Amino acid sequence: QKEVEQNSGPLSVPEGAIASLNCTYSDRGSQSFFWYRQYSGKSPELIMSIYSNGDKEDGRFTAQLNKASQYVSLLIRDSQPSDSATYLCAVIVYGNNRLAFGKGNQVVVIP
Amino acid sequence: DTEVTQTPKHLVMGMTNKKSLKCEQHMGHRAMYWYKQKAKKPPELMFVYSYEKLSINESVPSRFSPECPNSSLLNLHLHALQPEDSALYLCASSLDRTEAFFGQGTRLTVV
Repeated sequence: QKEVEQNSGPLSVPEGAIASLNCTYSDRGSQSFFWYRQYSGKSPELIMSIYSNGDKEDGRFTAQLNKASQYVSLLIRDSQPSDSATYLCAVIVYGNNRLAFGKGNQVVVIP
Repeated sequence: DTEVTQTPKHLVMGMTNKKSLKCEQHMGHRAMYWYKQKAKKPPELMFVYSYEKLSINESVPSRFSPECPNSSLLNLHLHALQPEDSALYLCASSLDRTEAFFGQGTRLTVV
């Protein structure tokens, strides 16, 4: 089982709609969870971090964490063309400082 | 300030060359990472330094040699690379088990 799994394929959403991304992780002891945005040819940019069960909102982004289900999600409200990018879920594996990434989900916002 | 600075931005090297990638942060972070990223793939962990000591080596070939001269600097020494080592090399830093911030990366081409 992979440490971090993002199974959805490319996601196309109309401008103004909600984009929903999901991620599961295998290490039940993990405590730190992140979403990164990466534009083509650029480095990953941290957009959300979450450490406790529940929702965390920052502007148009909401991260949701459910440790019992080992599940992290990201909602992008009022999607804009500038949100078109690859979104990477990342987890710090319990017991060391190993930051593991999922394979990423490409989001395309259609004007 | 969440800046991680990597130099150079681009590097072309021959298979017999020796070169070094540099990474610097002044955020007081105690964990520093090297990642390798190929096109359309997630970042792949290479090395982790924690409190200036190598804590994780993901079975990276010896032609890649990391060095952490002090808490702000991280180097990656390159020698006898192969064309398949061409990739984006990313440095990141974090406090212990918190958000990791990436530099802009070094685009490496081995010819």
